[in-house]
Amino acid sequence: SSELTQDPAVSVALGQTVRITCQGDSLRTSYATWYQQKPGQAPVLVIYSQNNRPSGIPDRFSGSSSGTTASLTITGAQAEDEADYYCNSRDSSGHHVIFGGGTKLTVL
Amino acid sequence: EVHLVESGGGLVQPGGSLRLSCEVSGFTFNNYAMSWVRQAPGKGLEWVSGTRAGYGFTYYVDSVKGRFTISRDNSQNTLYLQMNSLRVEDTAVYYCAKGSSGVELAILDSWGQGTHVTVSS
Repeated sequence: SSELTQDPAVSVALGQTVRITCQGDSLRTSYATWYQQKPGQAPVLVIYSQNNRPSGIPDRFSGSSSGTTASLTITGAQAEDEADYYCNSRDSSGHHVIFGGGTKLTVL
Repeated sequence: EVHLVESGGGLVQPGGSLRLSCEVSGFTFNNYAMSWVRQAPGKGLEWVSGTRAGYGFTYYVDSVKGRFTISRDNSQNTLYLQMNSLRVEDTAVYYCAKGSSGVELAILDSWGQGTHVTVSS
């Protein structure tokens, strides 16, 4: 299928670890990329090529993948991590991009 | 520093047209793939269209194919999205985004702030 599925909402206690997942057949052949979006702002790239962080992204963000599921892990979540998180990947053709529906992360 | 600035959004009636522009700076524009991504009010991100560097290949999500045209003017460091036959469901914030390489459409490492498009009668 050409869909990526994410849980709509996840919560985590301040300082704890949270995993956000993204599931789809395209992930068998294409890495997931992860974006953070805060209200009223443009998305920001946080993880690419499975587990690479752009400069400026804290090392508490990490990525992993197994089969058709990719995960974004935040180890020691901070209040500023409260945001929507989206995964994407190339589709099976390699010429289109699909996004997951997004996960709203609440830091308690 | 990389900058992307979109313009051209606005209110248009169903069936109408708009041309979005994205002026970029801080990188060698013609060396990178570029995409348009939209976000309907209260909804998630949707990739709309992309263009790779070099050969001018262009790609579209099925819902806009035949109605939207992506193009780039490398001499002006500007990406465009010509939107025709607009529908109510095209209402969204439209972002332009830079690919991480000349061919990469999915790793979008820089984004503009977006331009609002509202299709309504």
